[in-house]
Amino acid sequence: DIQMTQSPSTLSASVGDRVTMTCRASQYISTWLAWYQQKPGKAPKLLIYKASTLGSGVPSKFSGSGSGTEFTLTITSLQPDDFATYYCQQYDTYPWTFGQGTKVEVK
Amino acid sequence: QVQLQESGPGLVKPSGTLSLSCAVSGDSSSRCHWWGWVRQSPGKGLEWIGEISRGGHTNYNPSLRSRVTISVDESTNQFSLNLNSVTAADTAVYYCARVGCGYSFFDYWGQGILVTVSS
Repeated sequence: DIQMTQSPSTLSASVGDRVTMTCRASQYISTWLAWYQQKPGKAPKLLIYKASTLGSGVPSKFSGSGSGTEFTLTITSLQPDDFATYYCQQYDTYPWTFGQGTKVEVK
Repeated sequence: QVQLQESGPGLVKPSGTLSLSCAVSGDSSSRCHWWGWVRQSPGKGLEWIGEISRGGHTNYNPSLRSRVTISVDESTNQFSLNLNSVTAADTAVYYCARVGCGYSFFDYWGQGILVTVSS
């Protein structure tokens, strides 16, 4: 299976900050990567697919980049609603696998 | 607006079968979407279980393949998950989700259902 490793596990930030988190794949996955946001007690919500394409209705404050094995998710001007856990998922090779998540918390 | 809703027992006995259904509404357009199941437990994070096409073609996670069956009923716009020989390790929140058209990311999710395996 392809292992997805996210860093950091926890990111402390303040409202208005720009934050960046990383997802690394254990092997080449081209740009077959999605990012999700999950809030406590809720289902994940698609943010980005194909590494950099915004999901429907997702604000442009979210952006993704990368290809191959290293990917980043950036959130600009962090707002209270953005404090959540973010997961990456590869869909290059079965079985699809997820990272362990990056929790964005209030500093 | 596409909506998915899981249903089924919240408690299953060890060695029993976990059976869940997912009702889909608001998705009458493209036939290219598949439908999948993902579970989330504190110990293992998010884990893909498997997926099914409208025509009934399936793909399963090899780690669960021997115990999993996913089926679809187009007439009722539902798809189902059966997981047999369950243990405490199968305790998790189970989500059904729609798979992106032609690509296996998940663009719509159900709210999730907690299933506990316990006697």
